[in-house]
Amino acid sequence: DQQVKQNSPSLSVQEGRISILNCDYTNSMFDYFLWYKKYPAEGPTFLISISSIKDKNEDGRFTVFLNKSAKHLSLHIVPSQPGDSAVYFCAASERGSARQLTFGSGTQLTVLP
Amino acid sequence: EAQVTQNPRYLITVTGKKLTVTCSQNMNHEYMSWYRQDPGLGLRQIYYSMNVEVTDKGDVPEGYKVSRKEKRNFPLILESPSPNQTSLYFCASGRASDNEQFFGPGTRLTVL
Repeated sequence: DQQVKQNSPSLSVQEGRISILNCDYTNSMFDYFLWYKKYPAEGPTFLISISSIKDKNEDGRFTVFLNKSAKHLSLHIVPSQPGDSAVYFCAASERGSARQLTFGSGTQLTVLP
Repeated sequence: EAQVTQNPRYLITVTGKKLTVTCSQNMNHEYMSWYRQDPGLGLRQIYYSMNVEVTDKGDVPEGYKVSRKEKRNFPLILESPSPNQTSLYFCASGRASDNEQFFGPGTRLTVL
């Protein structure tokens, strides 16, 4: 049973528009959440994270929102650029087990020029 | 350049032939880990190590071994590979003080 779910395997958006990637989790012990971006033939690279004590974290064009009651987080990319085309993984860790990340299955984002 | 390196990047082998995938990091990170990525399943942790001589099982450790004799190296050993271990493998490292992990470029393994 997957504890972190990304229900959209793919998403296409126009350049300049907003991309919204979603992630749901079932484990109420998760208290830290991360987003990773992965290009073909490369390893995932860290993008942005959020602690459960916050509901929003921003870094430039990237914002992560956390809704603890719904066990849902989302990544917003504004404005989207063609270079953002990649697979995005959501990951979570439990209180006291910060080194063990549970990943979602990923969402392929394609930004169309 | 700070990085995590893995070798080989691609490997095709046959069932039962022992193999080792090496992983090395030059960032003096305490933490290292191995993941496998399979379609529809994301990345699943195989083993991790909090420091030299300390290793622990992740979510899918069956059929794998690891060792951490030096801080910079964390090899993944498949004593008797089977076709269900065909996958894309990633090594990662990180500081003990935070959650971010740095990933290597991946090793695509095919077991015939």
